[in-house]
Amino acid sequence: DAGITQSPRHKVTETGTPVTLRCHQTENHRYMYWYRQDPGHGLRLIHYSYGVKDTDKGEVSDGYSVSRSKTEDFLLTLESATSSQTSVYFCAIKTGGIDYGYTFGSGTRLTVV
Amino acid sequence: GDSVTQMEGPVTLSEEAFLTINCTYTATGYPSLFWYVQYPGEGLQLLLKATKADDKGSNKGFEATYRKETTSFHLEKGSVQVSDSAVYFCALKSQGGSEKLVFGKGTKLTVNP
Repeated sequence: DAGITQSPRHKVTETGTPVTLRCHQTENHRYMYWYRQDPGHGLRLIHYSYGVKDTDKGEVSDGYSVSRSKTEDFLLTLESATSSQTSVYFCAIKTGGIDYGYTFGSGTRLTVV
Repeated sequence: GDSVTQMEGPVTLSEEAFLTINCTYTATGYPSLFWYVQYPGEGLQLLLKATKADDKGSNKGFEATYRKETTSFHLEKGSVQVSDSAVYFCALKSQGGSEKLVFGKGTKLTVNP
């Protein structure tokens, strides 16, 4: 199985504070993704990366930035958290070959108060 | 743009009942199609996939057939168990350059003993 871990698993933060979520993979996959999951919306793509320093926006990118300085790490930053960013955040990697598909991390539950 | 439409939930069934969760999609060409399952409190797990028309994906008693003519990928299981209670997501990846996974909104299934 592709190794993918997210940290932290849970976080409570105050409105207006910066927050960084981390996604770490162990197998050098090129593509990494950040999604948010909200009731009634399914999963929506925030940003994704197709290589070191190569990133692009998804459908709900406003208020978020990302960085990928190493293949194994993909960081999601909320520059100034708002209550509308309370959500569960999932990282994913794209795997190829016989195991073609997308593998997801366990998620980070973020609450902005 | 690409999109996925799933039947509205929640769906409640008795154990050993037949399950169908409808999924239709909008995309150009021949996308790859996926079903993911999310058990309570967990991340998403790939349930099955199909990458070309008429392919049938199967896993754990679940099946789905890629129907290009009806742009559908309906999930079926002949006899559900209580342990199948979860949220099910249909998703697609477009044919060609975009490596993004697009999700439906999810269907919550509850199976009662």
